[in-house]
Amino acid sequence: QKEVEQNSGPLSVPEGAIASLNCTYSDRGSQSFFWYRQYSGKSPELIMSIYSNGDKEDGRFTAQLNKASQYVSLLIRDSQPSDSATYLCAVSRDGGSQGNLIFGKGTKLSVKP
Amino acid sequence: DAGITQSPRHKVTETGTPVTLRCHQTENHRYMYWYRQDPGHGLRLIHYSYGVKDTDKGEVSDGYSVSRSKTEDFLLTLESATSSQTSVYFCAISGLSNYGYTFGSGTRLTVV
Repeated sequence: QKEVEQNSGPLSVPEGAIASLNCTYSDRGSQSFFWYRQYSGKSPELIMSIYSNGDKEDGRFTAQLNKASQYVSLLIRDSQPSDSATYLCAVSRDGGSQGNLIFGKGTKLSVKP
Repeated sequence: DAGITQSPRHKVTETGTPVTLRCHQTENHRYMYWYRQDPGHGLRLIHYSYGVKDTDKGEVSDGYSVSRSKTEDFLLTLESATSSQTSVYFCAISGLSNYGYTFGSGTRLTVV
């Protein structure tokens, strides 16, 4: 069974620090990787996507992908209290259009002022 | 915001009654999905649709049915609600491009 694993946390970091969120996946055929942010009581919101090995940066967020090791990570620089949320990793062979986007259970991040 | 709305936002229903949740999109996206989210289980796919009248089962489809008669609407029906179906239900949409899913605001369903 295809799985996506995340540390459930909570991960607590001080304001201004770098938060590092990790995700491993079991399906070696995976090609599309996504990070979603979900505030308590709200719906998941796509914040990053990555398809090639290496780093992808978008503002304070950097996604890192290593297909050989089957892991994806999300770095949040200069963490703010507003970043406090649950972060979901999602993995698919083809972007998920065939209903095969697999979600991890999420890591809860708490940024302390 | 992407044009995706779910209704109702909250519902309390009794065991054994049928319940229909509605997902409506204005993006003309081909693909639509129904997920449930429960503590300890994360997001689990119930059913999805890849076109009008084209649907398929997901991981947790037992006790649920879906219909899609128009591109913009995807209905999820709990045929006879049970307490185990108390959950938060999310609809999601995606287009042909590989940009991931956009989620609706969710429906919190309580079966008593």
